[in-house]
Amino acid sequence: KAGVTQTPRYLIKTRGQQVTLSCSPISGHRSVSWYQQTPGQGLQFLFEYFSETQRNKGNFPGRFSGRQFSNSRSEMNVSTLELGDSALYLCASSNPSGSYEQYFGPGTRLTVT
Amino acid sequence: GENVEQHPSTLSVQEGDSAVIKCTYSDSASNYFPWYKQELGKRPQLIIDIRSNVGEKKDQRIAVTLNKTAKHFSLHITETQPEDSAVYFCAAHRDDKIIFGKGTRLHILP
Repeated sequence: KAGVTQTPRYLIKTRGQQVTLSCSPISGHRSVSWYQQTPGQGLQFLFEYFSETQRNKGNFPGRFSGRQFSNSRSEMNVSTLELGDSALYLCASSNPSGSYEQYFGPGTRLTVT
Repeated sequence: GENVEQHPSTLSVQEGDSAVIKCTYSDSASNYFPWYKQELGKRPQLIIDIRSNVGEKKDQRIAVTLNKTAKHFSLHITETQPEDSAVYFCAAHRDDKIIFGKGTRLHILP
C-alpha cells in the first residue's frame, strides 16, 4: 500500500496570508489527524476527521481549520498567518477498526516571514 | 482534557548502556499508550505500544511498562546502538483522541 502523502512539502508564506495543506491517507484509512510540530513543543494535536466529520479538536485558535472529503483526503487551512505558525505540519491516518497506530506523512514545512 | 508529561527532554547514554524515558498522563480513562520514534528528517513511526490491561510488553531490545495506579509508563531500551539516536514520543489515547508528550531526544555516545 502507498503511504500517507502530503503536499506541498515546503511552503513559504508572508504574515497575514492564508495557506492550505493537503493530506492523502493510506487507502482504506478513514481517520486523518493533523499535528503541528515545533522544536520543544513536540507533536501538538490540531484536529481529527473521520468520515468527513471533525471528531476531535485540539487547543488551537479558529484560524486553523480543516475538512475531509468523501475519498478521505483531508485539507487543513490556516488563515491570517503569524510568525509563530512556522512549523512542520504532519498528518497521520489510522484505521479505527484495526489498531490505533498512526501512520504519519512526511509533513509540510511551513515558513512564515 | 488529557495531559502527557515526558522526561527527560534530552538523554545521552554510552553505546551499549540502557536508556529509560518516562511519561505520566492525567486521564485515568486513557487505555492505549504508544511510543513513536522520529529519526532526523523522517516521520514518526510506531515502535511499541501497550494497552491498559497489560503491565509490560517487550520486543527485542525495547520494552514498555505501565503503572495504571500511578498513571505513568516508561520506555526501556537495552544495549543501545547508534541507530537508536532519535527523538522518542510517548502518547496516551482515549476515545479516538491521542495526546503526545513533548519528546525526548536520545543521543547514543560512541
